[in-house]
Amino acid sequence: DQQVKQNSPSLSVQEGRISILNCDYTNSMFDYFLWYKKYPAEGPTFLISISSIKDKNEDGRFTVFLNKSAKHLSLHIVPSQPGDSAVYFCAAMLMDSNYQLIWGAGTKLIIKP
Amino acid sequence: DSGVTQTPKHLITATGQRVTLRCSPRSGDLSVYWYQQSLDQGLQFLIQYYNGEERAKGNILERFSAQQFPDLHSELNLSSLELGDSALYFCASSGPRDSPHGYTFGSGTRLTVV
Repeated sequence: DQQVKQNSPSLSVQEGRISILNCDYTNSMFDYFLWYKKYPAEGPTFLISISSIKDKNEDGRFTVFLNKSAKHLSLHIVPSQPGDSAVYFCAAMLMDSNYQLIWGAGTKLIIKP
Repeated sequence: DSGVTQTPKHLITATGQRVTLRCSPRSGDLSVYWYQQSLDQGLQFLIQYYNGEERAKGNILERFSAQQFPDLHSELNLSSLELGDSALYFCASSGPRDSPHGYTFGSGTRLTVV
């Protein structure tokens, strides 16, 4: 039972354009949603999060949108830069379950020059 | 440097052997998590420890075990190794103050079983 799904294994975007990564979830009780970025042979690093009571959170070039009725969130990167090429993981957290993170399978973002 | 230290970075061993992976969490973090990532797949949660006690278990094989010591470092023991155990093993830590930020990951141990 995949509670967090990233349906696009990969995404290719031109440098300078917008990258949109999508994530769907099934459990309406999640408290937070997080995005992590991972380079090859490195550990994932936290990028941005959003509380379930918000619908948008912005940090520089990164914005996460949450649509609770659709159980869908998206990460927007504007403008996309070559250093953004990485695997992006969506994760959801239930705070009363020992802060467990439920992970999506990841989307590989490739920024073309 | 994330503050989470994993050793060794690389490990090559033969099938049937046993290895121990070590993780030192960020200073002050009480929770340690172990994850496995095989061949560019997603992150598979193995086990969580909180202040020395097992808190949650994921898809951890019976051949694998872990513990967290009084100084909060953790070890993941993998025994009777099989070729399919070759993977990146990540440790992460967290503290209560981190809840919106999730975990901080180490750089991983790459295990190759030959």
